[in-house]
Amino acid sequence: KAGVTQTPRYLIKTRGQQVTLSCSPISGHRSVSWYQQTPGQGLQFLFEYFSETQRNKGNFPGRFSGRQFSNSRSEMNVSTLELGDSALYLCASSTGSPWSEQFFGPGTRLTVL
Amino acid sequence: QQQVKQSPQSLIVQKGGISIINCAYENTAFDYFPWYQQFPGKGPALLIAIRPDVSEKKEGRFTISFNKSAKQFSLHIMDSQPGDSATYFCAASRDNYGQNFVFGPGTRLSVLP
Repeated sequence: KAGVTQTPRYLIKTRGQQVTLSCSPISGHRSVSWYQQTPGQGLQFLFEYFSETQRNKGNFPGRFSGRQFSNSRSEMNVSTLELGDSALYLCASSTGSPWSEQFFGPGTRLTVL
Repeated sequence: QQQVKQSPQSLIVQKGGISIINCAYENTAFDYFPWYQQFPGKGPALLIAIRPDVSEKKEGRFTISFNKSAKQFSLHIMDSQPGDSATYFCAASRDNYGQNFVFGPGTRLSVLP
């Protein structure tokens, strides 16, 4: 079974631009969660989508948004990029059932210049 | 109250020794406590998880000890190996809220040969 894939793996943007990251979950998984990982703040939950609906949301500004498609693939968008948005963005998929294991992708390394 | 505290920040252990990482939480609504292992350039991977109805769970060389009254849990790695050198994250979630995990800041473990 293929794992969680994320594209692109690396991205360089400048302040003020917007960016879209993509995540393909493990086949059969209906839940996709997104996390931001930085050296200073660690791993922080952004949001979770389950069956195309946002089921949970972390404490990030509205510049961070996401969506999920009918095939469970998910995209995350960050608008008006700031230097502080430089981070590793991880997505994780699961069946979405209680206590189900989350499988993480390798992440997208975003650098904002 | 959403925080998960983790210590130590870094840990150096000799091969064959025991590695112990501790975590503490405040929110008594948390009911699922996983530990993740992350190697450089990779996403976190689930190592072992526990629910508060048991005080200990063992899988191979990895053991979680859970103290519900103290709101603390710890990871013990027996017979530590150089291949265990990685960053370890504890986490907690209220699973009726979906896949919203709160992560500890991480412990960088180095196992010397």
